[in-house]
Amino acid sequence: GNSVTQMEGPVTLSEEAFLTINCTYTATGYPSLFWYVQYPGEGLQLLLKATKADDKGSNKGFEATYRKETTSFHLEKGSVQVSDSAVYFCALNTGFQKLVFGTGTRLLVSP
Amino acid sequence: DVKVTQSSRYLVKRTGEKVFLECVQDMDHENMFWYRQDPGLGLRLIYFSYDVKMKEKGDIPEGYSVSREKKERFSLILESASTNQTSMYLCASSPGRRTDEQFFGPGTRLTVL
Repeated sequence: GNSVTQMEGPVTLSEEAFLTINCTYTATGYPSLFWYVQYPGEGLQLLLKATKADDKGSNKGFEATYRKETTSFHLEKGSVQVSDSAVYFCALNTGFQKLVFGTGTRLLVSP
Repeated sequence: DVKVTQSSRYLVKRTGEKVFLECVQDMDHENMFWYRQDPGLGLRLIYFSYDVKMKEKGDIPEGYSVSREKKERFSLILESASTNQTSMYLCASSPGRRTDEQFFGPGTRLTVL
């Protein structure tokens, strides 16, 4: 079946450190891939997406590249800020708008 | 801005009570969804709807039902609440194409005692 695997958290970094959150997926067909972010006390919001192989999604300094050969969509940011502290969810959509989510990775950034 | 609102941020109910969670979106979206979010399990789809009066089961529909009488409103019903339904419930909506993002409400934290 379709599934998403994320690295377990929490990921703890100092401000301005480099961030990588790993995401791999299993899916039939050609899924679209998403990263959502959930700030404390809020619902999820889309951070970035990629709809086909080799696409790179980017937003707010975050990037992720759709790698079909490794079935991965790792999230990266060159220099994190305290305000990036949140829970990050990787997700895929194989059709009809149904999303399959990973378990989420909590990021904690200290000054 | 797309807005998805949920009727309550926090709710406390007793075992056996009938519980209604309401969700309203203001962007004329075709699709609406109900998820529950639990630590270590991520988000799991309970039910979704792609049109008025239409509903489809998600991955964990047991113990839940839904109603969509108007396009903008999607209700989640717990017919007889149980303690294992204590969770965060998130509503979402989307325009309709496969690559469209889903827009989420702030969530309702339900505690069943």
